[in-house]
Amino acid sequence: GEDVEQSLFLSVREGDSSVINCTYTDSSSTYLYWYKQEPGAGLQLLTYIFSNMDMKQDQRLTVLLNKKDKHLSLRIADTQTGDSAIYFCAERQSGGSYIPTFGRGTSLIVHP
Amino acid sequence: DGGITQSPKYLFRKEGQNVTLSCEQNLNHDAMYWYRQDPGQGLRLIYYSQIVNDFQKGDIAEGYSVSREKKESFPLTVTSAQKNPTAFYLCASGSGGQHEKLFFGSGTQLSVL
Repeated sequence: GEDVEQSLFLSVREGDSSVINCTYTDSSSTYLYWYKQEPGAGLQLLTYIFSNMDMKQDQRLTVLLNKKDKHLSLRIADTQTGDSAIYFCAERQSGGSYIPTFGRGTSLIVHP
Repeated sequence: DGGITQSPKYLFRKEGQNVTLSCEQNLNHDAMYWYRQDPGQGLRLIYYSQIVNDFQKGDIAEGYSVSREKKESFPLTVTSAQKNPTAFYLCASGSGGQHEKLFFGSGTQLSVL
């Protein structure tokens, strides 16, 4: 079966880097995603990575994938107060219904 | 503007009442999804539909019903059989298949009076 685990909270100081971690169990996952949810809003796709990649960078965001350990991380450089939100990791299997499985979300709190 | 629209933003349900949450998309997506979000529990899949006139139960379908008569619309009915309906409900759509990315609506907060 599939399971996606995330820590529930992360607190950082404005200007520092944030690293949000995620572990997954399904070795057949082909796509891994990071979504951002601001209070009272829907989820917004931030970035995604194919399982045949190790790293993807998009402006302040860096995604690292360690397939051996089934570990995914999202690094936000120069974290701002506007980055405060819940961040969800999600995986999609290579076969079956392609329904993504979401983690419980990590609440990122950025303080001055 | 292309997008996915949920309404209403807030909804209140009385005891024994059925209520319907609306979800409309103009992205020409084949697949649509309903998720329930409770604090600290992440997203749980209620129902999904990968094509018009067809839908499948998700992990927590009991007490809910859906229809998919049009590609653009996927309404969710919370029936009186759902004893704990208070939650934030999210609708999403996607192009379907292996390369799918989901696009989410802004959600409906359902509360019980």
